Formats: sequence, structure tokens, C-alpha cells
Amino acid sequence: EVQLVESGGGLVQPGRSLRLSCAASGFTFDDYAMHWVRQAPGKGLEWVSGISWNSGSIGYADSVKGRFTISRDNAKNSLYLQMNSLRAEDTALYYCAKDVRVRGVMYAFDIWGQGTMVTVSS
Amino acid sequence: DIQMTQSPSTLSASVGDRVTITCRASQSISSWLAWYQQKPGKAPKLLIYKASSLESGVPSRFSGSGSGTEFTLTISSLQPDDFATYYCQQYNSYPFTFGPGTKVDIK
Repeated sequence: EVQLVESGGGLVQPGRSLRLSCAASGFTFDDYAMHWVRQAPGKGLEWVSGISWNSGSIGYADSVKGRFTISRDNAKNSLYLQMNSLRAEDTALYYCAKDVRVRGVMYAFDIWGQGTMVTVSS
Repeated sequence: DIQMTQSPSTLSASVGDRVTITCRASQSISSWLAWYQQKPGKAPKLLIYKASSLESGVPSRFSGSGSGTEFTLTISSLQPDDFATYYCQQYNSYPFTFGPGTKVDIK
């Protein structure tokens, strides 16, 4: 079964850091680009960042550029999001998502995890 | 950045109705557009990619069309399971962006 399981969320003070992880199973992880998408409570979806299958192409939303870093460890079938200088507006459910295409340019997202909640508050 | 808009923001419909949702991009995105369905408390589900390609396992009552800057998602005969929020998303260029969503509720 294809599965993505996020972890690492929690309550954190403004200005602090947090690292999210996404464990992938049921597919050949290093064949696919991966993404982070977030959803603030009661709001819509916001793409946060994406990384190609070989880490050769990386993109960020303007709202997180310079503060968040996406990475992957293909040997561990894992995706990460290092979040620094967190702000109240980063409070959201963070989803990990798998790209559709095999070793291609980034595309749509066909498999999603259930998300991990990040709350930034003092 | 490419801005995505959707209309309407809310749509009230009945089972069996034909439903159309429109998505517009602030600049041409060719056919690099996806549609997702999200139900409360659940992760989004991919319905359509490349503007008109139906994702495997998605019922054929869903269809997508358009290219350039204007796109539509059509549900040919609304079913009880289809009451949800629908989002379009462009993946033509970074940063990828989603539309604000269209909530389809029961009339």
C-alpha cells in the first residue's frame, strides 16, 4: 500500500525552529518528486515547497523562502522540512504529497499523507 | 507569481445536477493544471491533471477542460459523495499555486 506518514509537528514559540518528516512506503521513493502543502485552520491549500527526485530542482513559496528548507534522503525513503524563524502565520496542517510523474519535471500530487499540525504561539 | 482564482466560491446544488466550476490563471499555464477534491478532515484527492486527464479510479462523471488561462471542472451528474470543496492548482512554474477553493454544498 502506498503510504505517506508525516511527523514532527507540535506547539512551538514564534522565532523557534521545527523539523517535519515524511516517511514513504509502498512505492519507489527515489523515482518521484515530493512536496509539502499546508492548510491553515479553516483556510485553503498552500503549496509550501517541492523537491525533485534527485534533489536537483527545489522550489519554495514566497512566504517561506529563506526560512524553510526542504530535503530528502532517498536511502531512508524520507522527506523533510526544516522550518526556522517560525511565525504565527505558519500555523497549519502540513501535508506531504507525492508527485505523479516518474523522474520528470514536477507535476500534480497523487498521494497525500494525513498531515501533521504545527502551531506557532507563545 | 501566478495567481489562481475560482468561481463561484460556493455552489449550492442538488443530486443529479450538472455542476461547473471555473478556474482562471493570471497568466498562461498551458495545460499544467490539476483539480483536487477535499472533504472535511481529509487530505485532498487528485481528480484531474494536465487540465483534462482523469486520475485513475476517479468516476467518469468528473471532467476537466481548458488551456492557457481559463479552465473548468464539470461534474455531469452530482452524487451525494461529491459534496466537498474543490481546488485548482497550477504547476506550470514555481511557486506552484492553488485557487481559493469552491465549496459544493447541498441545495
